[in-house]
Amino acid sequence: DGGITQSPKYLFRKEGQNVTLSCEQNLNHDAMYWYRQDPGQGLRLIYYSQIVNDFQKGDIAEGYSVSREKKESFPLTVTSAQKNPTAFYLCASSISVNTEAFFGQGTRLTVV
Amino acid sequence: KNEVEQSPQNLTAQEGEFITINCSYSVGISALHWLQQHPGGGIVSLFMLSSGKKKHGRLIATINIQEKHSSLHITASHPRDSAVYICAVRPPSYNTDKLIFGTGTRLQVFP
Repeated sequence: DGGITQSPKYLFRKEGQNVTLSCEQNLNHDAMYWYRQDPGQGLRLIYYSQIVNDFQKGDIAEGYSVSREKKESFPLTVTSAQKNPTAFYLCASSISVNTEAFFGQGTRLTVV
Repeated sequence: KNEVEQSPQNLTAQEGEFITINCSYSVGISALHWLQQHPGGGIVSLFMLSSGKKKHGRLIATINIQEKHSSLHITASHPRDSAVYICAVRPPSYNTDKLIFGTGTRLQVFP
């Protein structure tokens, strides 16, 4: 079945360590996105990519990095520079701009 | 003040009740999305609207562009409808799918 797969579902890391969250889609979508969700707040855009080998910062990119070497994959690295990394992270994709977005199941990251 | 406001924040209902969730926004938009987030966290897109009304099964979404308001209705609610419902808007000035999200309405339907 076509869809977006995020892994792992739960992730624990020690403070100061970088960690990479995986996002893979087999929908042949050009655009991919990473969002962060915190309690009581709406989803906020971290990074997005409209095409392979290109990506743009979203509203809260500081402390994060991404790559888009393949159309299917858009991994997010949470670096030690991110001051408050514990959150729920959602990946999404869409065919192109201004089309419906499809979301993954999310990764809950806890930094201890 | 958030650019996208949802009401109510929390909603409980008995099975079979008609449910309405509201979304008001303060920016111009090219489209509005209704999303459903289940307890596990995954999000499913329910509707994308730019005008009028859409229906899918027991779900109906309406939008009034002039009043900057949208509603999501659930007819004959069922416990499996229990989830967080999120409204998101896309401003037309952006050259990408940059959505502005509401904080969600948590719905619990009891048998």
